[in-house]
Amino acid sequence: VKLVESGGGLVKPGGSLRLSCVASGFNFSTYGMNWVRQAPGKGLEWVSIISTRSDYIYYADSVKGRFTVSRDNANNSLFLQMNSLGADDTALYYCARGENYFEYWGQGTLVTVSS
Amino acid sequence: SYELTQPPSVSVSPGQTARITCSGDTLAKKYAYWYQQKPGQAPVVVIYKDTEKSSGIPERFSGSSSGTTVTLTINEVQAEDEADYYCQSVDNSGSSHYVFGAGTKLTVL
Repeated sequence: VKLVESGGGLVKPGGSLRLSCVASGFNFSTYGMNWVRQAPGKGLEWVSIISTRSDYIYYADSVKGRFTVSRDNANNSLFLQMNSLGADDTALYYCARGENYFEYWGQGTLVTVSS
Repeated sequence: SYELTQPPSVSVSPGQTARITCSGDTLAKKYAYWYQQKPGQAPVVVIYKDTEKSSGIPERFSGSSSGTTVTLTINEVQAEDEADYYCQSVDNSGSSHYVFGAGTKLTVL
């Protein structure tokens, strides 16, 4: 199992960013997928989950209305569209496989929101 | 939403037993999961469904549950066990879906 995130970077407050996660080594279309983030020096915060067929999607209250999760099963990819970014969104963003818990994690992509 | 409460830190000497607790009302009804995170690395699940050990995790790691508290126990602690440990559970109250404890820093003296 391998999960590789990309798309992070430096963005100004109010800006947008789209994260990607490419999966390999397992049948991507049969697993729920998540985004989990970790602010520098802080703990883990679950962000979003998307089911296998995208028929159920949940977000943490802290990102609801600003972030949109999606997936492309044909290309084993998970995405996170992040809009209206603020300083509190600065974090390492992990994609993680699983429902109920997070069996496998990528190495993360760093998002820094700063002017 | 509900919270999961962990001690910020636990310190033990090599060879001793470390116990890290996680408390929360919904743990009486929902499973807990434990993750180990070493500096600069992604978290790794060590215990799932309260007591089940993940593949490749040393035998000295175990999990237990009693009421609203779950415990991660590490017997005969080794220097390599020094890490942050997070508990996690499901939150069906509608506000978060999944929730983590704040984490416990295990220091091996």
